[in-house]
Parts: sequence; C-alpha cells; structure tokens
Amino acid sequence: DVKVTQSSRYLVKRTGEKVFLECVQDMDHENMFWYRQDPGLGLRLIYFSYDVKMKEKGDIPEGYSVSREKKERFSLILESASTNQTSMYLCASSPPGQANIQYFGAGTRLSVL
Amino acid sequence: KQEVTQIPAALSVPEGENLVLNCSFTDSAIYNLQWFRQDPGKGLTSLLLIQSSQREQTSGRLNASLDKSSGRSTLYIAASQPGDSATYLCAVRNNQGGKLIFGQGTELSVKP
Repeated sequence: DVKVTQSSRYLVKRTGEKVFLECVQDMDHENMFWYRQDPGLGLRLIYFSYDVKMKEKGDIPEGYSVSREKKERFSLILESASTNQTSMYLCASSPPGQANIQYFGAGTRLSVL
Repeated sequence: KQEVTQIPAALSVPEGENLVLNCSFTDSAIYNLQWFRQDPGKGLTSLLLIQSSQREQTSGRLNASLDKSSGRSTLYIAASQPGDSATYLCAVRNNQGGKLIFGQGTELSVKP
C-alpha cells in the first residue's frame, strides 16, 4: 500500500515562528502536492512538485515556500507564521503521468497563536 | 475560472436510506471528475474517478454519474450505513496533468 506520512498530526506555533511541515512518501512517486483545507473553502493547492528540486506555485502560494531535496520528501515552510495560516494541511503524492491518482496523508492541523 | 460547488454542506439521514450528494462545476470542459471520502481528522481516500467520456462509475453501494453538459455530478449511496458517515468531496481536473479543483464537501451523518 502507498503510504504518505506527515510528521505531525497537530502543531501549535507562535506568530512569527518559522514552521516546517514534513511529508514523506514511500512509493517513489514523482508528483507531490501541498494543500490547505478550511471550512467552507474545500482544499486549495499551495504548491506542487513534479521532480526533485522542482516546484510550482498552486493557487495560494503567498506566505509559503517548499523544498524537495529528495524524491520521497516534500516540505512546506511557513517563513513567518501568521494567525491566518491556522488550518489543516494535507500532503499528497501521485505516480508519474497519473496526477489524478493522488494518495493523501492524514493531515497536520496547525494552530498559529 | 473553474469553480466547484457542493450542496448541501451537511446532510443527516437514518440508516438504510438511499441518498444523493450533488456536485456542480462551472466549466464543462473537464478532463475527469473524482469523488473522495474524508473521515474526521484524516486525509482523503479516492472513491470513484469518472473520465470526461464516461457517464457513470460504480463501486459497491456507490454510483457516481457525470453530466458534463449541465456541469453536474451526483454520488448515489445505496442502503446507507453509519460507517458511511464522513465528508465527501468532489474534485475536477480541467486537463490531463492539471491540478485538482475541489468543492467544499458535504458532511454526511448516517444515524443508526
């Protein structure tokens, strides 16, 4: 079975902190994605990556950056966390040429105080 | 710009009922449409994927239909069970390799 692991289920951070959300997949997938999920807004794509060291902006990249140094790991970085970044963050991965078959992690619920 | 809407936001039904969840999208030129299930505090699990050339897909008690011309999809759940309680999300892809565009989800509660 494909496994997408997000390192933390719950995080509480202070405004202005630098925050790292980690995601690891074990199926050698090329494609990886970061979403945030908010009530009434559904899932919105923040960033995605089709290969190591490659990244593309999604719909809401402002305030975020990403890192893909290794194929299996895709990190989401909040350079200076703000309260409006309190949300559920979901990571997903998919095989090459099959971006419609996305496997999701369990999510990280981030609270910024 | 493609927009995906799911109504209602929440639905509560007694066990055993057949039910329909609705999804609408503004741009009918889609590549495919997908239904997901999300349990509380968990990630998403793909249920059904319908290609733009298809009219429906079935998996067990689930049947998803697609009407591109009207910009609508429905997810039919037969003989609902308490274990079906979850949030159901639909998402469309406008082209091959394109990103998924999600609706807001319908939170379903099936009461025993």
